Amino acid sequence: DTGVSQNPRHKITKRGQNVTFRCDPISEHNRLYWYRQTLGQGPEFLTYFQNEAQLEKSRLLSDRFSAERPKGSFSTLEIQRTEQGDSAMYLCASSPDFNEQYFGPGTRLTVT
Amino acid sequence: SQQGEEDPQALSIQEGENATMNCSYKTSINNLQWYRQNSGRGLVHLILIRSNEREKHSGRLRVTLDTSKKSSSLLITASRAADTASYFCATGDRGSTLGRLYFGRGTQLTVWP
Repeated sequence: DTGVSQNPRHKITKRGQNVTFRCDPISEHNRLYWYRQTLGQGPEFLTYFQNEAQLEKSRLLSDRFSAERPKGSFSTLEIQRTEQGDSAMYLCASSPDFNEQYFGPGTRLTVT
Repeated sequence: SQQGEEDPQALSIQEGENATMNCSYKTSINNLQWYRQNSGRGLVHLILIRSNEREKHSGRLRVTLDTSKKSSSLLITASRAADTASYFCATGDRGSTLGRLYFGRGTQLTVWP
């Protein structure tokens, strides 16, 4: 299966700790997106990469959040000094163009 | 903030019945997409309809788009228990090449055997 993969699938952390998530997109896709989804809501856009360039960031992405996509392949999303409000599902998607996006299974973060 | 809003929030039907979900959005769009999400998992793309299209079919799915009313509907015919999931509409900004999607809160569909 060469779909989008995300690791870890689940992460439980204590408030104040740093966490990092990884996304491996479909190999030929140059566009990569991060979304956040809380219970009962649809995904909300966080940030977008085209190849290695981060071209758009949502206002939801506070200074504690940083995302990278070195070499235009996999991407990481780091949250520093986690807060309980950061608890959510973090979804990664990739796309070959600006049409349909292919989503990974998500990383569920719980901050205690 | 979320661009689209699905209606109803929840829908419960018997196998074999048709399910209709509606989506309204606020701004001009390039296209409108429907995604399905099974409990606690990632989203699966179902169908994309462009702003110059009015209707599109894919298997048991039928999507309509009315840009004058800024609304879309998703019809699932002859539903199955496996169709139980949350369904989201998503829109992309007209003229944008960035591709960010705006999702609604979704419709939770339950199909009873």
